[in-house]
Amino acid sequence: GAVVSQHPSRVICKSGTSVKIECRSLDFQATTMFWYRQFPKQSLMLMATSNEGSKATYEQGVEKDKFLINHASLTLSTLTVTSAHPEDSSFYICSARGAGENQPQHFGDGTRLSIL
Amino acid sequence: GQNIDQPTEMTATEGAIVQINCTYQTSGFNGLFWYQQHAGEAPTFLSYNVLDGLEEKGRFSSFLSRSKGYSYLLLKELQMKDSASYLCAALDSNYQLIWGAGTKLIIKP
Repeated sequence: GAVVSQHPSRVICKSGTSVKIECRSLDFQATTMFWYRQFPKQSLMLMATSNEGSKATYEQGVEKDKFLINHASLTLSTLTVTSAHPEDSSFYICSARGAGENQPQHFGDGTRLSIL
Repeated sequence: GQNIDQPTEMTATEGAIVQINCTYQTSGFNGLFWYQQHAGEAPTFLSYNVLDGLEEKGRFSSFLSRSKGYSYLLLKELQMKDSASYLCAALDSNYQLIWGAGTKLIIKP
């Protein structure tokens, strides 16, 4: 149980392109979803937290107009990196948590984004 | 401030036992998670402790001492596939997850 699907797994695109990443909880209702970024050999960095039907809460230093998050249903959240630049290249990982704030987060497989 | 400390890297031998320690300082506490992350992959959930004591799950066990702000992950009968980073994360009073930087575990034959 607790499967989270994230697509695409890898994206290579030109600078200035907008990229959309989908995160779906397949067998449970995700009350809360999280978006992380991880640079090589570094720890997970939380970008934003989103609850179904409400606006995402962004961490300090994360531009909400650049990283658009939509959590339209209890099973789907999307992250759109708008006008991506090479410095946005990173490993983006979503996670989903069911009801109960002490429930574990279950992670998608991640999206490796490379901006040329 | 809130802080999680765990060793950066550990090396162990196939078939042996290894203990990965984690100390935490958080504003309030609602439990501690351990995750495994293989290189280039997303983390996978291993364990959750909120009460003092040892939780055993197959070859992996996790221990918590709330009074000491301390946890460890114990891996027995190590296999080569256990080579990965192990992330410790504590849940604070606001149910925010505070992540450690991870311990890279290298298993040698």
